[in-house]
Parts: sequence; C-alpha cells; structure tokens
Amino acid sequence: GENVEQHPSTLSVQEGDSAVIKCTYSDSASNYFPWYKQELGKGPQLIIDIRSNVGEKKDQRIAVTLNKTAKHFSLHITETQPEDSAVYFCAASGGYQKVTFGTGTKLQVIP
Amino acid sequence: ETGVTQTPRHLVMGMTNKKSLKCEQHLGHNAMYWYKQSAKKPLELMFVYNFKEQTENNSVPSRFSPECPNSSHLFLHLHTLQPEDSALYLCASSQEVGGGTVNTEAFFGQGTRLTVV
Repeated sequence: GENVEQHPSTLSVQEGDSAVIKCTYSDSASNYFPWYKQELGKGPQLIIDIRSNVGEKKDQRIAVTLNKTAKHFSLHITETQPEDSAVYFCAASGGYQKVTFGTGTKLQVIP
Repeated sequence: ETGVTQTPRHLVMGMTNKKSLKCEQHLGHNAMYWYKQSAKKPLELMFVYNFKEQTENNSVPSRFSPECPNSSHLFLHLHTLQPEDSALYLCASSQEVGGGTVNTEAFFGQGTRLTVV
C-alpha cells in the first residue's frame, strides 16, 4: 500500500517569512495530492491540491510542487501570517477514495 | 461550516457502554467516510460508503459498526471499546467521479472527541 512521509513535524517561522513542508510517497500509481489545514477544534480543510499531470500549482500565497520522478511534493506558504498557524497534512491517492495521509506538520507563525 | 455536521462533539464512555456517533452532510455528495485521528499518527481511513453501500473496511475491529441509511447520513455504532480507541473520529464526504478513478475534495466535519474510560 501507499506510504506517505511528511517533514518536519513542527515548524516555527517569523511572520512574513516563508514556510516549506515536504512529503514523499511510495506508490508510483498515486496521481492526486491534496493538502489539508486543520485548525484547533476543527476538521481538516482542503487548501490546495495537485494532480500528476501538473508540476506546480499556485493559489495566492500558497503553492505546491510535485516531482513524480522522485516521488515527492512540497507545500510553500509565502508571507506567512499568524492565521496560517495550524497543522498541515499532505496526502496521496491513486483513486477509489483511498487517500493516505502524512503525519502532519504543526506550523507556528510568530508575530 | 463545511456542510458536514457531526454529533456529539465530545463523548466519554465506559468500556461496557454502547454509543453512536452521527454524521450528516448537506452537500449532495455520494460518498461518506469515517476516519480515526490519534495523536502523532496519520489519519486512518476506517470505512467508505458509496451510494449507501460499504466499499471499504480497513480491518477495523468489529466493536466499530458503521451504518449508512441514506447518502446524507452516516453513523458509527460503538460497543465494548478499549481505552486505546480514544481519539478524534472524523466524518467526511465527497462526490465520486469517473467510477472512483478520479479523486475529488473531501469535506470533513469537526469530529467527535471520544474518550474511553
């Protein structure tokens, strides 16, 4: 089955700096890579996703890159703000609703 | 508000109790899921329902029993749980596309924080 590894487990950045979270996956058949943000007391919420036919996707301050050859993908948050503080999960899936999640990264943005 | 509502938000139960978790989605989706979220572990998929039919059971112990009476409601019946079952239980829904070959966004509820004593 699929195995997703996520690093780092915790990340502290100064407000305005960039944050990068990296994930690797094992199953070359995976073709869908969502990123979720989970705030305290809430369920995970999709913030961006990328499919295997695309190498990079950007949405305002958030961008995701995918390297299928190396089987890794990354989340980039620029100009971080205190409200970006949360736990971020990467995930990988080859379809049929079988989504494998990483262990999460707790991001703290220091004002 | 994501359109997926879970009740109760918190639940404390003894190991001999029987309780049920409820999930309702208002998004018109055709697939619903139960996930278990434990500290420092990845979200674990427990059950998947497509059009009210269970299509996935990830080796979940029989003390967890799902029920999906219609495409908008999902229950998780609990009995004789163990302390290690204490966790956040998340319900999610999505719209299956392309016979399941195409993944789409999953919308999560806020979860039920379960404590087994």
